[in-house]
Amino acid sequence: EAGVTQFPSHSVIEKGQTVTLRCDPISGHDNLYWYRRVMGKEIKFLLHFVKESKQDESGMPNNRFLAERTGGTYSTLKVQPAELEDSGVYFCASSQVEGGPRGTGELFFGEGSRLTVL
Amino acid sequence: QKEVEQNSGPLSVPEGAIASLNCTYSDRGSQSFFWYRQYSGKSPELIMSIYSNGDKEDGRFTAQLNKASQYVSLLIRDSQPSDSATYLCAVARWSGAGSYQLTFGKGTKLSVIP
Repeated sequence: EAGVTQFPSHSVIEKGQTVTLRCDPISGHDNLYWYRRVMGKEIKFLLHFVKESKQDESGMPNNRFLAERTGGTYSTLKVQPAELEDSGVYFCASSQVEGGPRGTGELFFGEGSRLTVL
Repeated sequence: QKEVEQNSGPLSVPEGAIASLNCTYSDRGSQSFFWYRQYSGKSPELIMSIYSNGDKEDGRFTAQLNKASQYVSLLIRDSQPSDSATYLCAVARWSGAGSYQLTFGKGTKLSVIP
């Protein structure tokens, strides 16, 4: 079974340009998450989809970030226009179960998309 | 105060020794606790989850949780060079916006010396 796949693995763009990152979750996983790690910091939550609906987007840093999950399958994360501080690694994760007090269900992470903004 | 705090390391242990990784968290409302292993350039991989105070063992790995002290640890027995990686402590808490979020520490880099 294929894991979570992300594309591109690395993107280098100039400040002000637009980048779109794509995530294909594990087949059948309704829950899809975006996280990111900027240089020297910890991995931080961005948002959570349940199927095609945004369950929680409280971690999105500002309105330059737009996430979509049309049809409840793959998801895209667009950054427009990109700024220098957006550089980092963007991780996508998926899970079958969105748990209650017992937790989130096991999250399966992709290898990340590294974004470098010059 | 950082929400989830770990020593960044590197932590170096000889092959066959016990590696001890520690993590503290600030949110007393946290309910679930996880250890992820991440090899360089690879995806974080869940290796242990723990929900109740005490110890949980899985093979060479033991997770320990003390909610009163807001402390989580991971012990790796009989450490192998293949255990060399960054270990991420993560805590799940209700976001108030409709889902559980994982809050990560920065990770501890472990190096097992042959």
